[in-house]
Amino acid sequence: GNSVTQMEGPVTLSEEAFLTINCTYTATGYPSLFWYVQYPGEGLQLLLKATKADDKGSNKGFEATYRKETTSFHLEKGSVQVSDSAVYFCALSDHDMRFGAGTRLTVKP
Amino acid sequence: EAQVTQNPRYLITVTGKKLTVTCSQNMNHEYMSWYRQDPGLGLRQIYYSMNVEVTDKGDVPEGYKVSRKEKRNFPLILESPSPNQTSLYFCATADSHSNQPQHFGDGTRLSIL
Repeated sequence: GNSVTQMEGPVTLSEEAFLTINCTYTATGYPSLFWYVQYPGEGLQLLLKATKADDKGSNKGFEATYRKETTSFHLEKGSVQVSDSAVYFCALSDHDMRFGAGTRLTVKP
Repeated sequence: EAQVTQNPRYLITVTGKKLTVTCSQNMNHEYMSWYRQDPGLGLRQIYYSMNVEVTDKGDVPEGYKVSRKEKRNFPLILESPSPNQTSLYFCATADSHSNQPQHFGDGTRLSIL
């Protein structure tokens, strides 16, 4: 069945550091891929998405590219801020929706 | 403002005592779903509903019931809660023709003793 694997956290970075959170997927069809962000005490918010191979999703300085050849959708940001501290979930949608386990990011001043 | 409202936000209760977590949305979305979030497991879907009076099991439906009598409401019912249902629960919605959650509630933390 479909599944999503993302790098285990927690990830701790200093402000302005470069961020990568790895995500790989297994799917039988042609899924859409997503990154969601969860701030403390809140529900998930859609951060970005890509619906087909080579698409790049971007939002708030975050980017992720749908790589079919490596079945990956890694999240990147060039310069993180303290306000980016949150839990990040990679997800795919095919005939159903699958979420990764989440990666907690802490950004220190 | 788009809202998905869950109640209660926190609940501590005992094994076997029936409880209901309500979910209400103001976006006229057809698709609603319930997830539970557990450490190391991410979100797992419990039940979903494509429209009024249409509900289906997700990945982990055992021990839960739902109903969809009106479009805006999608309550989650635990008839006889057990400690393994201690978790963080989220309701989510999506507009028609999509099962990709667009709006989430702020969560309900249940502790079953």
